[in-house]
Amino acid sequence: DVKVTQSSRYLVKRTGEKVFLECVQDMDHENMFWYRQDPGLGLRLIYFSYDVKMKEKGDIPEGYSVSREKKERFSLILESASTNQTSMYLCASLRPGAGVVYEQYFGPGTRLTVT
Amino acid sequence: TQLLEQSPQFLSIQEGENLTVYCNSSSVFSSLQWYRQEPGEGPVLLVTVVTGGEVKKLKRLTFQFGDARKDSSLHITAAQPGDTGLYLCAGDKGNKLVFGAGTILRVKS
Repeated sequence: DVKVTQSSRYLVKRTGEKVFLECVQDMDHENMFWYRQDPGLGLRLIYFSYDVKMKEKGDIPEGYSVSREKKERFSLILESASTNQTSMYLCASLRPGAGVVYEQYFGPGTRLTVT
Repeated sequence: TQLLEQSPQFLSIQEGENLTVYCNSSSVFSSLQWYRQEPGEGPVLLVTVVTGGEVKKLKRLTFQFGDARKDSSLHITAAQPGDTGLYLCAGDKGNKLVFGAGTILRVKS
């Protein structure tokens, strides 16, 4: 079974702090993703990565950065946390399926509260 | 504006009832996926539909992809309390998935 783990399930940080969210997958997947999930908005893509040291902006990258130094690890960084970044953060790893089918596997999520 | 519109947003039904959740878009997708998410957990993939008009069954769940590959539906027969959760559809736009806002389903016993 694919396993995607996230470093924390719950996190409380203060405004202005630098926050690191870590994600590790154990299936040698090349593609990894960071989403945030807010009620009524679904999952919105923050950043994704195709390979080590490669990164691409998603739909809402402002206020975030990422790091992919090793294939299995993809980190999301909040440079200066703000209250509007309070959310559920989900990491996903992608297994290419047959043809053009892509199947993402998600971690359990990190619920971040910025006070 | 959501690229994928899901309806209804909330659904509360009694055990044994049938229900249908819809996922609609003006865009064409190469494939569409349905996920189920329980509180405090990440989404778990239920099914992927690829071909226009395709119908897939997963026990009491029936998934259909529209002929034009712009919409999909999820039908649950004889819902059970264990079906409770957030159901998300996601369309494949090449190198990434676009998610709907989700349908919260509560099945009461």
